[in-house]
Amino acid sequence: KNEVEQSPQNLTAQEGEFITINCSYSVGISALHWLQQHPGGGIVSLFMLSSGKKKHGRLIATINIQEKHSSLHITASHPRDSAVYICAVQETSGSRLTFGEGTQLTVNP
Amino acid sequence: DAGVTQSPTHLIKTRGQQVTLRCSPKSGHDTVSWYQQALGQGPQFIFQYYEEEERQRGNFPDRFSGHQFPNYSSELNVNALLLGDSALYLCASSLAGQGRYEQYFGPGTRLTVT
Repeated sequence: KNEVEQSPQNLTAQEGEFITINCSYSVGISALHWLQQHPGGGIVSLFMLSSGKKKHGRLIATINIQEKHSSLHITASHPRDSAVYICAVQETSGSRLTFGEGTQLTVNP
Repeated sequence: DAGVTQSPTHLIKTRGQQVTLRCSPKSGHDTVSWYQQALGQGPQFIFQYYEEEERQRGNFPDRFSGHQFPNYSSELNVNALLLGDSALYLCASSLAGQGRYEQYFGPGTRLTVT
């Protein structure tokens, strides 16, 4: 069993739809990261959170430490949101990141 | 303010050869982590360098080695390349003193071993 599991693996949505990507983890963490990766490989950090909720534009990330679960929401999705979204946890023992397998999001116009 | 840079962007090597990948951290950062991302998978932690020493290491063989220079830049070396080493190699930098170690990623080096 992976330490970090994401669902779904693939997600196709129509423009304007509300999107949720889930992440569950099994280890103790000091922080959880949501990352975005476009074709070509570059990774952009979207959020780093250790409790509660963060919002940036149309993106919202929440985390429940007790349940070891986080969600990434995208409101009013747009084709430019199409990318791989990756959840990664930062363990309490140091700063190394352990990644989920990623969720491939495709938003159709 | 320059972000994390990596070189080269792409690289093609033959089995058995050796390769060196380079990373310059974001200005002000002192910690560099290296990750390997195989096609269709999430990145895997290789190792992390801080104060010119390897601080943490993932489950990678000794063929993978690294170095950090006094200016905090870093190199990843892979010896005796195997076909399975073909991957995107990502470098991430952070500032140790921040505690939660927010990491900034470079664009990656895509290595193809033939």
